[in-house]
Amino acid sequence: GQNIDQPTEMTATEGAIVQINCTYQTSGFNGLFWYQQHAGEAPTFLSYNVLDGLEEKGRFSSFLSRSKGYSYLLLKELQMKDSASYLCAPEGGAGSYQLTFGKGTKLSVIP
Amino acid sequence: DADVTQTPRNRITKTGKRIMLECSQTKGHDRMYWYRQDPGLGLRLIYYSFDVKDINKGEISDGYSVSRQAQAKFSLSLESAIPNQTALYFCATSDETSGRGDTQYFGPGTRLTVL
Repeated sequence: GQNIDQPTEMTATEGAIVQINCTYQTSGFNGLFWYQQHAGEAPTFLSYNVLDGLEEKGRFSSFLSRSKGYSYLLLKELQMKDSASYLCAPEGGAGSYQLTFGKGTKLSVIP
Repeated sequence: DADVTQTPRNRITKTGKRIMLECSQTKGHDRMYWYRQDPGLGLRLIYYSFDVKDINKGEISDGYSVSRQAQAKFSLSLESAIPNQTALYFCATSDETSGRGDTQYFGPGTRLTVL
Protein backbone atom coordinates (compact mmCIF):
# COMPACT_ATOMS: atom_id res chain seq x y z
CA GLY A 1 0.00 0.00 0.00
CA GLN A 2 0.87 3.65 -0.12
CA ASN A 3 1.19 6.12 2.72
CA ILE A 4 2.02 9.76 1.99
CA ASP A 5 2.37 12.46 4.61
CA GLN A 6 2.67 16.21 4.02
CA PRO A 7 1.56 19.19 6.11
CA THR A 8 -2.01 20.30 5.55
CA GLU A 9 -1.38 24.04 5.54
CA MET A 10 1.54 26.48 5.60
CA THR A 11 1.78 30.26 5.59
CA ALA A 12 4.76 32.29 4.41
CA THR A 13 5.60 35.89 3.62
CA GLU A 14 6.07 37.31 0.15
CA GLY A 15 9.76 37.26 -0.80
CA ALA A 16 10.62 34.54 1.71
CA ILE A 17 11.65 30.90 1.27
CA VAL A 18 9.41 27.97 2.20
CA GLN A 19 10.09 24.24 2.33
CA ILE A 20 7.24 21.75 1.97
CA ASN A 21 8.11 18.27 3.19
CA CYS A 22 6.73 14.94 2.08
CA THR A 23 7.38 11.49 3.50
CA TYR A 24 6.16 8.38 1.79
CA GLN A 25 5.97 4.63 2.18
CA THR A 26 5.20 2.76 -1.02
CA SER A 27 5.20 -0.85 -2.17
CA GLY A 28 7.20 0.12 -5.24
CA PHE A 29 8.94 3.30 -6.30
CA ASN A 30 10.15 4.80 -9.57
CA GLY A 31 10.36 8.47 -8.70
CA LEU A 32 8.44 11.33 -7.16
CA PHE A 33 6.39 14.14 -8.67
CA TRP A 34 5.37 17.52 -7.31
CA TYR A 35 2.30 19.23 -8.73
CA GLN A 36 0.89 22.70 -8.11
CA GLN A 37 -2.86 23.22 -7.94
CA HIS A 38 -4.57 26.60 -7.66
CA ALA A 39 -8.01 26.54 -6.07
CA GLY A 40 -10.62 25.13 -8.44
CA GLU A 41 -8.07 24.47 -11.18
CA ALA A 42 -6.26 21.45 -12.57
CA PRO A 43 -2.97 20.23 -11.07
CA THR A 44 0.05 21.23 -13.13
CA PHE A 45 3.45 19.52 -13.25
CA LEU A 46 6.28 21.13 -11.26
CA SER A 47 9.05 18.57 -10.91
CA TYR A 48 10.08 14.94 -11.07
CA ASN A 49 12.92 13.37 -9.08
CA VAL A 50 14.20 9.89 -9.77
CA LEU A 51 17.72 10.16 -8.34
CA ASP A 52 18.73 11.27 -4.84
CA GLY A 53 19.60 14.91 -4.52
CA LEU A 54 18.40 18.36 -5.40
CA GLU A 55 16.92 19.39 -8.74
CA GLU A 56 16.74 23.14 -9.28
CA LYS A 57 14.39 24.81 -11.71
CA GLY A 58 14.22 28.58 -11.35
CA ARG A 59 12.59 29.60 -8.07
CA PHE A 60 11.51 26.02 -7.38
CA SER A 61 13.75 23.13 -6.30
CA SER A 62 12.89 19.58 -5.33
CA PHE A 63 14.89 17.14 -3.24
CA LEU A 64 14.64 13.37 -2.95
CA SER A 65 16.12 10.80 -0.57
CA ARG A 66 15.05 7.34 -1.71
CA SER A 67 16.54 5.57 1.29
CA LYS A 68 14.65 7.80 3.73
CA GLY A 69 11.39 7.95 1.76
CA TYR A 70 11.59 11.73 1.92
CA SER A 71 11.21 14.63 -0.45
CA TYR A 72 10.81 18.37 -0.17
CA LEU A 73 9.81 21.20 -2.45
CA LEU A 74 11.65 24.47 -1.91
CA LEU A 75 10.10 27.70 -3.12
CA LYS A 76 12.29 30.81 -3.15
CA GLU A 77 11.41 34.51 -3.52
CA LEU A 78 7.78 33.77 -2.83
CA GLN A 79 5.19 35.62 -4.85
CA MET A 80 1.48 36.04 -4.15
CA LYS A 81 0.71 33.83 -7.15
CA ASP A 82 2.46 30.94 -5.40
CA SER A 83 -0.54 30.65 -3.08
CA ALA A 84 -1.82 27.20 -4.05
CA SER A 85 -1.86 23.58 -2.97
CA TYR A 86 1.25 21.52 -3.58
CA LEU A 87 0.76 17.80 -4.17
CA CYS A 88 3.42 15.17 -3.50
CA ALA A 89 2.99 12.08 -5.70
CA PRO A 90 5.24 9.03 -5.58
CA GLU A 91 5.24 6.94 -8.76
CA GLY A 92 4.82 3.18 -8.31
CA GLY A 93 7.48 0.63 -9.25
CA ALA A 94 7.64 -2.85 -10.81
CA GLY A 95 6.25 -1.69 -14.16
CA SER A 96 3.43 0.28 -12.57
CA TYR A 97 3.44 3.95 -13.44
CA GLN A 98 0.53 4.85 -11.24
CA LEU A 99 0.78 7.99 -9.20
CA THR A 100 -0.56 8.13 -5.67
CA PHE A 101 -1.24 11.68 -4.60
CA GLY A 102 -0.80 13.06 -1.11
CA LYS A 103 -3.61 15.19 0.28
CA GLY A 104 -1.69 18.32 -0.57
CA THR A 105 -0.22 21.25 1.34
CA LYS A 106 -2.17 24.49 1.04
CA LEU A 107 0.33 27.36 0.96
CA SER A 108 -0.84 30.88 1.69
CA VAL A 109 1.55 33.69 0.78
CA ILE A 110 0.89 36.87 2.74
CA PRO A 111 2.21 40.41 2.07
CA ASP B 1 -6.77 25.00 -27.86
CA ALA B 2 -6.47 22.97 -24.66
CA ASP B 3 -4.70 19.63 -24.98
CA VAL B 4 -7.06 17.84 -22.55
CA THR B 5 -10.71 18.84 -22.52
CA GLN B 6 -13.56 17.72 -20.32
CA THR B 7 -17.30 18.05 -20.84
CA PRO B 8 -19.40 19.18 -19.13
CA ARG B 9 -17.49 21.57 -16.86
CA ASN B 10 -20.31 21.72 -14.35
CA ARG B 11 -23.26 19.40 -13.81
CA ILE B 12 -26.03 19.22 -11.25
CA THR B 13 -28.09 16.06 -11.23
CA LYS B 14 -30.42 14.08 -9.02
CA THR B 15 -29.93 10.83 -7.14
CA GLY B 16 -30.48 7.80 -9.38
CA LYS B 17 -29.73 9.52 -12.67
CA ARG B 18 -27.17 8.18 -15.14
CA ILE B 19 -24.36 10.61 -15.86
CA MET B 20 -21.52 10.51 -18.39
CA LEU B 21 -18.42 12.68 -18.16
CA GLU B 22 -16.33 12.92 -21.28
CA CYS B 23 -12.62 13.51 -21.80
CA SER B 24 -10.81 14.18 -25.06
CA GLN B 25 -7.13 14.79 -25.71
CA THR B 26 -5.03 15.99 -28.61
CA LYS B 27 -1.67 15.13 -27.02
CA GLY B 28 -1.46 11.73 -28.73
CA HIS B 29 -0.94 9.98 -25.40
CA ASP B 30 -1.82 6.33 -24.92
CA ARG B 31 -2.52 6.50 -21.19
CA MET B 32 -5.62 8.11 -19.73
CA TYR B 33 -6.94 8.39 -16.18
CA TRP B 34 -10.00 9.46 -14.21
CA TYR B 35 -9.63 10.92 -10.71
CA ARG B 36 -11.97 12.46 -8.21
CA GLN B 37 -10.97 15.13 -5.73
CA ASP B 38 -12.72 15.76 -2.44
CA PRO B 39 -11.77 18.35 0.18
CA GLY B 40 -9.36 16.81 2.66
CA LEU B 41 -8.98 13.59 0.69
CA GLY B 42 -6.85 14.64 -2.23
CA LEU B 43 -6.90 13.10 -5.69
CA ARG B 44 -8.02 9.47 -5.87
CA LEU B 45 -7.76 7.25 -8.93
CA ILE B 46 -11.03 5.80 -10.25
CA TYR B 47 -9.99 4.05 -13.49
CA TYR B 48 -7.07 4.12 -15.87
CA SER B 49 -6.36 2.88 -19.38
CA PHE B 50 -2.95 2.31 -20.93
CA ASP B 51 -4.36 1.82 -24.43
CA VAL B 52 -7.69 1.35 -26.18
CA LYS B 53 -8.01 -2.33 -25.19
CA ASP B 54 -6.72 -1.92 -21.64
CA ILE B 55 -8.98 -0.80 -18.77
CA ASN B 56 -8.01 -1.06 -15.11
CA LYS B 57 -9.74 -0.29 -11.85
CA GLY B 58 -8.18 2.24 -9.55
CA GLU B 59 -8.52 2.81 -5.84
CA ILE B 60 -12.23 3.73 -5.85
CA SER B 61 -13.97 2.20 -8.89
CA ASP B 62 -17.21 1.07 -7.20
CA GLY B 63 -20.22 2.90 -8.64
CA TYR B 64 -18.32 3.98 -11.78
CA SER B 65 -17.66 2.54 -15.22
CA VAL B 66 -15.52 3.73 -18.13
CA SER B 67 -15.28 3.43 -21.88
CA ARG B 68 -12.19 4.03 -24.03
CA GLN B 69 -13.77 4.76 -27.38
CA ALA B 70 -10.54 5.74 -29.09
CA GLN B 71 -6.99 6.69 -28.18
CA ALA B 72 -8.18 10.26 -27.73
CA LYS B 73 -11.41 9.64 -25.79
CA PHE B 74 -12.08 8.23 -22.33
CA SER B 75 -15.53 8.50 -20.74
CA LEU B 76 -16.58 8.02 -17.13
CA SER B 77 -20.12 6.94 -16.28
CA LEU B 78 -22.07 6.98 -13.06
CA GLU B 79 -24.84 4.44 -13.66
CA SER B 80 -26.97 5.61 -10.76
CA ALA B 81 -25.60 8.75 -9.17
CA ILE B 82 -25.64 9.14 -5.38
CA PRO B 83 -24.91 12.26 -3.27
CA ASN B 84 -21.49 11.04 -2.06
CA GLN B 85 -20.33 11.10 -5.68
CA THR B 86 -20.47 14.87 -5.49
CA ALA B 87 -16.88 15.89 -6.24
CA LEU B 88 -14.49 17.51 -8.68
CA TYR B 89 -13.55 15.02 -11.41
CA PHE B 90 -10.33 15.23 -13.39
CA CYS B 91 -9.22 13.43 -16.50
CA ALA B 92 -5.49 13.10 -17.13
CA THR B 93 -3.22 11.74 -19.85
CA SER B 94 0.39 10.59 -19.88
CA ASP B 95 3.06 9.19 -22.12
CA GLU B 96 6.13 7.86 -20.36
CA THR B 97 9.14 9.86 -21.45
CA SER B 98 12.59 8.73 -20.59
CA GLY B 99 13.98 10.69 -17.70
CA ARG B 100 10.72 12.42 -16.85
CA GLY B 101 8.72 9.53 -15.48
CA ASP B 102 5.09 9.23 -16.46
CA THR B 103 4.15 12.91 -16.23
CA GLN B 104 0.40 13.33 -16.16
CA TYR B 105 -1.40 16.26 -17.77
CA PHE B 106 -4.78 17.16 -16.37
CA GLY B 107 -7.96 18.45 -17.92
CA PRO B 108 -9.76 21.46 -16.40
CA GLY B 109 -12.10 19.32 -14.30
CA THR B 110 -15.83 18.68 -14.07
CA ARG B 111 -17.66 19.83 -10.96
CA LEU B 112 -20.46 17.32 -10.32
CA THR B 113 -23.20 17.84 -7.75
CA VAL B 114 -25.64 15.05 -6.97
CA LEU B 115 -28.73 16.18 -5.09
